[in-house]
Amino acid sequence: QKEVEQNSGPLSVPEGAIASLNCTYSDRGSQSFFWYRQYSGKSPELIMFIYSNGDKEDGRFTAQLNKASQYVSLLIRDSQPSDSATYLCAVTGGATNKLIFGTGTLLAVQP
Amino acid sequence: DADVTQTPRNRITKTGKRIMLECSQTKGHDRMYWYRQDPGLGLRLIYYSFDVKDINKGEISDGYSVSRQAQAKFSLSLESAIPNQTALYFCATSDGTRLSFGDGTRLSIL
Repeated sequence: QKEVEQNSGPLSVPEGAIASLNCTYSDRGSQSFFWYRQYSGKSPELIMFIYSNGDKEDGRFTAQLNKASQYVSLLIRDSQPSDSATYLCAVTGGATNKLIFGTGTLLAVQP
Repeated sequence: DADVTQTPRNRITKTGKRIMLECSQTKGHDRMYWYRQDPGLGLRLIYYSFDVKDINKGEISDGYSVSRQAQAKFSLSLESAIPNQTALYFCATSDGTRLSFGDGTRLSIL
């Protein structure tokens, strides 16, 4: 089992819809959870982080964390073509206290 | 100007050559990292450093070495490059919470 798992996609959504990106992790002791966005050929950039169970909202983005289910998600409301990118989930804390990345989900927002 | 600068941006070289990738930062962060990114494998940690005297292996350090010349400089070396080291390499810094990445070095080994 991979430490951090994401569906590779592509996830295709129409412009204006809600995009839902999911991530599961294996280390129950994990404490910090991050979402990075990476445009093709570019470096990853942090868009959200969450530490506590529940929801955290920032503009059109909402991160959701459920530690009991070892599940973290990212919702993008009113999706725009400019949101088309690969979204990387990253998790830290736990046994190794190292930041572990998932392989990313490719999101395609169709105009 | 970029906060995290990597050089070179692209490099093509031959098997067996020694390669050095350089990273410098103006963010004032103590923590610096080297990652490689391969299609389908995501970002994998090669080495990391929490200060000038602290060097740590990541999950895929074999075939690589690093040098932390100063707080702002962290270089990655491939002593004898092999084709399966062809990848996109990222340097990153951290304030302890979030990573800031350089623009990456695309390395091809023939």
